Amino acid sequence: DLQMTQSPSSLSASVGDRVTITCQASQDITIYLNWYQQKPGKAPKLLIYGASHLQTGVPSRFSGGGSGTHFTFSISGLQPEDFATYYCQQDTSFGGGTKVVI
Amino acid sequence: EVQLVESGGGLVQPGGSLRLSCAASGFAVSDNYVSWVRQAPGKGLEWVSVIYSGGTTYYADSVKGRFTISRDISKNTVYLQMNSLRAEDTAVYYCAKEYTIRGDIRFDPWGQGTLVTVSS
Repeated sequence: DLQMTQSPSSLSASVGDRVTITCQASQDITIYLNWYQQKPGKAPKLLIYGASHLQTGVPSRFSGGGSGTHFTFSISGLQPEDFATYYCQQDTSFGGGTKVVI
Repeated sequence: EVQLVESGGGLVQPGGSLRLSCAASGFAVSDNYVSWVRQAPGKGLEWVSVIYSGGTTYYADSVKGRFTISRDISKNTVYLQMNSLRAEDTAVYYCAKEYTIRGDIRFDPWGQGTLVTVSS
């Protein structure tokens, strides 16, 4: 079974910081890796698909990269509304999540 | 606008049953894939089940044999019938429109979720 390992599980940052999250797949998934944002009490929202493609309407401070088994997700210039939990996903497998806190 | 609205959650005793509904608008469930994904309190996301446009269904091992996904095309609604419920099924259940081409599977958008609590 495909396993998605996300790190770190949480990180502390300040407004304006650049943060990076990694997601490791247990097997080669080419570029089929997606990233979601979830705020407390809300449903997840698709931010990035195909490892690096921004979903329509998502600010350009969000970016993604990688291929094969190693992927990254970054936020440049963290905004107050970006404090949330982020998940990677491939097929029906989700990473464990990364909580970005102030 | 594509939208999904879940309903049917609530408190149920272990061993009991519950049926969740996912009302879709802005797209036809008969022409698209719809998945259920759940999230236990304070935990991550777990895919539960999918129904394809052609009617084929798949389930996570954790719910296979206990949960059944179905749809009513006339109501443009997808259902999740949950039987033999266990405490570990306690979660917010989301339905989501699934985009699938080859190895590319995305869930977008998601409904607001409905809470299922299994407890005596």
